Amino acid sequence: NAGVTQTPKFQVLKTGQSMTLQCAQDMNHEYMSWYRQDPGMGLRLIHYSVGAGITDQGEVPNGYNVSRSTTEDFPLRLLSAAPSQTSVYFCASSSPGRGHEQYFGPGTRLTVT
Amino acid sequence: AQRVTQPEKLLSVFKGAPVELKCNYSYSGSPELFWYVQYSRQRLQLLLRHISRESIKGFTADLNKGETSFHLKKPFAQEEDSAMYYCALKLGGGYQKVTFGTGTKLQVIP
Repeated sequence: NAGVTQTPKFQVLKTGQSMTLQCAQDMNHEYMSWYRQDPGMGLRLIHYSVGAGITDQGEVPNGYNVSRSTTEDFPLRLLSAAPSQTSVYFCASSSPGRGHEQYFGPGTRLTVT
Repeated sequence: AQRVTQPEKLLSVFKGAPVELKCNYSYSGSPELFWYVQYSRQRLQLLLRHISRESIKGFTADLNKGETSFHLKKPFAQEEDSAMYYCALKLGGGYQKVTFGTGTKLQVIP
């Protein structure tokens, strides 16, 4: 199993550009989440999904959209990038059958200039 | 709302010294608590959870409901323990959002 995969690993955007961060998992986990990691702030939840077709907002959802058309994929869209969105983004998946342990992807380092 | 506090951004200890990474939480119910670790150039991974009451890589953590704490301890630090450690809380029962602390960087000095 590849586990949780994320693409790209690195990305530089200009203010106002849009892009999609990809996340996929092959563990058949029901739950998927997006976090951003900033120095001194820890991990903050952006959006999450409890199953295909079901998403909800986390702690810091503004400026981001998500959708979950399949169990495997959970892309994160930045509609109009801002410098405040410079961060490292982690996707995670979990399942009640695994005690809700979060399995994390390798992260995407995004810089917005 | 639940909150997780890790008061130390950086903890430096000498190899062989005891380690205690502090974690306090605010929630009046019965939460599930976890410690995650991120080694350099690796992804975040679960270290241990309070439900399992296990010891992983020599680390243990006991849930103290009276003090609302879940401190991570190891009697003798090793250089390979140097990493970023995050305490996390999930409300009990079914799917609930996981709240992470701000993390503590553990630096073990040879």
